[in-house]
Amino acid sequence: EVQLVESGGALVQPGGSLRLSCAASGFIFSDHFMDWVRQAPGMGLEWVGRSKNKGYSYATEYGASVKGRFSISRDDSGNSVYLEMNSLKTDDTAVYYCTRARDLSGYHYAMDVWGQGTTVTVSS
Amino acid sequence: DIQMTQSPSAMSASVGDRVTITCRASQGISNHLDWFQQKPGRVPQRLIYAASTLQSGVPSRFSGSGSGTEFTLTISSLQPEDFATYYCLHHSRYPLTFGGGTKVEIK
Repeated sequence: EVQLVESGGALVQPGGSLRLSCAASGFIFSDHFMDWVRQAPGMGLEWVGRSKNKGYSYATEYGASVKGRFSISRDDSGNSVYLEMNSLKTDDTAVYYCTRARDLSGYHYAMDVWGQGTTVTVSS
Repeated sequence: DIQMTQSPSAMSASVGDRVTITCRASQGISNHLDWFQQKPGRVPQRLIYAASTLQSGVPSRFSGSGSGTEFTLTISSLQPEDFATYYCLHHSRYPLTFGGGTKVEIK
């Protein structure tokens, strides 16, 4: 069974840091890009960023609201992707989802599998 | 950055109605567009990818069309389990952007 399981969500103070993890199983992790998507309470979906695979030199991309504060890394041997969040703001309060994408013949097939999400609350 | 304008933001419909939701991209994105459904308290699920390809397991009453800047998600006959919020997503270039969502409620 294809599965993504996020962990690491917590209550953190503004200005603090947090690291989220996403453990993948049931598919060839190293072939895939991995995305983080978040959803603030009562709001829509926001793409956070992407970790590309080895074929793209493990490059990363980020949304404007998190660029410079968040960092995505991956461990292909452990089938995991991570979201390092620094300088957290109250606006970063959200459920954070891990999802996968695939580059096939130059077309990116995005977000066919999602984890259950992990909740990050930034508050004093 | 490419902006995705989704309309309407909310709508009321009855079981059996034909429902159409539109997403407009601020620049041409070919067919690099997907549609997602999210029910309250649940994880989003992909319905349509590459603008018009039905995700495996999704009922055939859902369909997608469009290319370039104008895209449509159609539910041919709304069912009780279809009351949810729908999002479009472009993945033509970075950053990826979701539409603002369309909440489909029971009339």
